[in-house]
Amino acid sequence: GQNIDQPTEMTATEGAIVQINCTYQTSGFNGLFWYQQHAGEAPTFLSYNVLDGLEEKGRFSSFLSRSKGYSYLLLKELQMKDSASYLCAVRDGLKGIFGKGTRLHILP
Amino acid sequence: GAGVSQSPSNKVTEKGKDVELRCDPISGHTALYWYRQRLGQGLEFLIYFQGNSAPDKSGLPSDRFSAERTGESVSTLTIQRTQQEDSAVYLCASSLSRREANYGYTFGSGTRLTVV
Repeated sequence: GQNIDQPTEMTATEGAIVQINCTYQTSGFNGLFWYQQHAGEAPTFLSYNVLDGLEEKGRFSSFLSRSKGYSYLLLKELQMKDSASYLCAVRDGLKGIFGKGTRLHILP
Repeated sequence: GAGVSQSPSNKVTEKGKDVELRCDPISGHTALYWYRQRLGQGLEFLIYFQGNSAPDKSGLPSDRFSAERTGESVSTLTIQRTQQEDSAVYLCASSLSRREANYGYTFGSGTRLTVV
């Protein structure tokens, strides 16, 4: 079956660092994506990993371990505007399979 | 167009009526996807198109749901005899093809469907 797991909610403080984990079990794998979704808005693309290791993009980094079926999204220097849901998605062929998302709350 | 456009943005319909949702993908994007997102839930895959073909319809919840795409462009998702459990936001996304797999999806703003 297809399964993507991530925590339902997390809370962090402005200026701090937070790591959002994602584990997956899918029949195929053509890459792992992270998306950000603000309440009432469409998801927007954050990052893509297809090889093991860390991809850094400004304040956001994403890590992948294919052998462990594991990824994380690291957000540094948190800002209030980072309050959103973060969706982990695995690409199986061309089809994207999404997790339920992690709602991140940022406290001042 | 510059982005993925969906219409209508909001639709309220009576139970039992048919509805048609439209998606205009980014020009040149050969892959097009439909997802459903119920309130507070994750994205549920419905169907995707590669060109005008739909290689994977496995996510369509029932035979009341159908979709088509013409001219490798516009797609319509049709829900017949709507039920209250069909109420959700229907999101369309497009992307470049497999060769450019590192590109994520670009989503439209969605159609919020409410069945009363």
